[in-house]
Amino acid sequence: AQKITQTQPGMFVQEKEAVTLDCTYDTSDPSYGLFWYKQPSSGEMIFLIYQGSYDQQNATEGRYSLNFQKARKSANLVISASQLGDSAMYFCAMRVLTSGTYKYIFGTGTRLKVLA
Amino acid sequence: DSGVTQTPKHLITATGQRVTLRCSPRSGDLSVYWYQQSLDQGLQFLIQYYNGEERAKGNILERFSAQQFPDLHSELNLSSLELGDSALYFCASSVAQGPGGYTFGSGTRLTVV
Repeated sequence: AQKITQTQPGMFVQEKEAVTLDCTYDTSDPSYGLFWYKQPSSGEMIFLIYQGSYDQQNATEGRYSLNFQKARKSANLVISASQLGDSAMYFCAMRVLTSGTYKYIFGTGTRLKVLA
Repeated sequence: DSGVTQTPKHLITATGQRVTLRCSPRSGDLSVYWYQQSLDQGLQFLIQYYNGEERAKGNILERFSAQQFPDLHSELNLSSLELGDSALYFCASSVAQGPGGYTFGSGTRLTVV
């Protein structure tokens, strides 16, 4: 079964410290994409970072990096130098190709609170 | 501005009523997806359209329907509304293929009273 699991419903981190948000996935497809989205309290969904299943290197976007461990089927998001504005809900998602169309599966999210 | 436009941003309506949510995808995107996010819940996929045709269906209730028009904008129709339909409804668009993820709209917050 295709599934995304985020086991941390909520996390706290001190401002300026790094934090890792966990994500594991399950799929038998050899080709897939992994994404992270941020949802602040205002409600919009903001795309953060993408990792393809065949990408050799971990994806990085500014303070965001994706720790991709294919054998363990994990795609953890690392936020470095946390800022107060990073307080939000974070969703991990997987894209797979099913019956000729892309299908996206989202995790249940992790609520991150950055402390001053 | 993500390029995906959803209207209205907020909607308050009574039980039993019908509402229509509208989404204009990002320029060049042919796929439109609808999601429902209830309070403290993850995103539940409802339905996907690609270039006017329904492509995938998720956990969409029979009281809900959607369509994508020739200009590629999409509408999600919710009828016989119940209190439990109160949620944030997102539209997202994407190109057919490519490494990028969805581009989400800002959502329509529906409150059924």
